Amino acid sequence: GAGVSQSPRYKVAKRGQDVALRCDPISGHVSLFWYQQALGQGPEFLTYFQNEAQLDKSGLPSDRFFAERPEGSVSTLKIQRTQQEDSAVYLCASSLRVNAEKLFFGSGTQLSVL
Amino acid sequence: DAKTTQPNSMESNEEEPVHLPCNHSTISGTDYIHWYRQLPSQGPEYVIHGLTSNVNNRMASLAIAEDRKSSTLILHRATLRDAAVYYCILSFTQGGSEKLVFGKGTKLTVNP
Repeated sequence: GAGVSQSPRYKVAKRGQDVALRCDPISGHVSLFWYQQALGQGPEFLTYFQNEAQLDKSGLPSDRFFAERPEGSVSTLKIQRTQQEDSAVYLCASSLRVNAEKLFFGSGTQLSVL
Repeated sequence: DAKTTQPNSMESNEEEPVHLPCNHSTISGTDYIHWYRQLPSQGPEYVIHGLTSNVNNRMASLAIAEDRKSSTLILHRATLRDAAVYYCILSFTQGGSEKLVFGKGTKLTVNP
């Protein structure tokens, strides 16, 4: 596709449910980032992949959050046993090279945990 | 993390230039200055970035102070479509990954 695609666009989960959020980066992009954006705040870094390798997961808020990119293209962010504080927009971004020089963001997945 | 300071909000009139300021007094020699903007219900969009010299592209200009402790994003003729939150960001490398750390940004309102 022409841009970064994220699905689903909206997700409503009951507290305690597991969710999986998908990101299709721009084809050929080496770097992939996940960000979390709470209402009225700027995006906060979660994790970074260089191809299939997860080089930085320092921003993941707890061990309930898990991300993977097994073939170096599509990535999935999984949240286990969701809690209300997980409600946010989850943004995926990719860049062509091994740096954050120019990121292309998807429109995000808005997660609401009830 | 090197931090940036921006005004919470600014207003402009359509077809007038807009100067969005950013302070980054703790910037280090290798930190790039990036600007992104975010329209409602969309992900951030790249605007421009630079290291030391002023930069121009089709969207905007970036003026960087000589001591690099501040910068200004210049929109030469604001349109209604430029209404967005503008983020000034310093990238830094930690643990093998280069990160962009966003602040709260400046909400730009453009009046017709």
